[in-house]
Amino acid sequence: DVKVTQSSRYLVKRTGEKVFLECVQDMDHENMFWYRQDPGLGLRLIYFSYDVKMKEKGDIPEGYSVSREKKERFSLILESASTNQTSMYLCASRGAKGYEQYFGPGTRLTVT
Amino acid sequence: AQSVTQLGSHVSVSEGALVLLRCNYSSSVPPYLFWYVQYPNQGLQLLLKYTSAATLVKGINGFEAEFKKSETSFHLTKPSAHMSDAAEYFCAVQNFNKFYFGSGTKLNVKP
Repeated sequence: DVKVTQSSRYLVKRTGEKVFLECVQDMDHENMFWYRQDPGLGLRLIYFSYDVKMKEKGDIPEGYSVSREKKERFSLILESASTNQTSMYLCASRGAKGYEQYFGPGTRLTVT
Repeated sequence: AQSVTQLGSHVSVSEGALVLLRCNYSSSVPPYLFWYVQYPNQGLQLLLKYTSAATLVKGINGFEAEFKKSETSFHLTKPSAHMSDAAEYFCAVQNFNKFYFGSGTKLNVKP
């Protein structure tokens, strides 16, 4: 089974802090994704990566950056956390020849 | 541009009743379509997918969906709801390497 893990299930940070969310997948997938999920808005794509060191902006990249130094790991970085970044963050991966995405359990981030 | 519309943010059914969750999409190319389920405080789990083979797709837990190109729809059904089906359901369309999700439908199952 594909496994996607995220470093924290719950995280509380203060406004202005730098926040790192880590995601690791164990299926050698080329593609990895970061979404945020907010009630009534579904999932919105923040960034995705199709290869090591490669990244593309999604629909809502402002205030975020990403890093992919190894194929299995994709990090989401909030350079200076703000209260409007309080949300559920979901990581996903997909193989180059696969169709569906596989999701991690999510990180619920609260910025106070 | 791709988009997905899920009609009804909340749907309530009685245990044993038919479940129907609606999804309409817009896509400029033949789509790949998906239904995912999310249980509380968990990630998304794939229920089923349409990848241009059979238009009636069967998934896990007794769910199925029918792709109707003329109606640009991909509605999710289950003949008989179970209490364990209570969750949030998301429809998604894939275009190249990006997925576009609907806003979700929360299914409540009454005893």
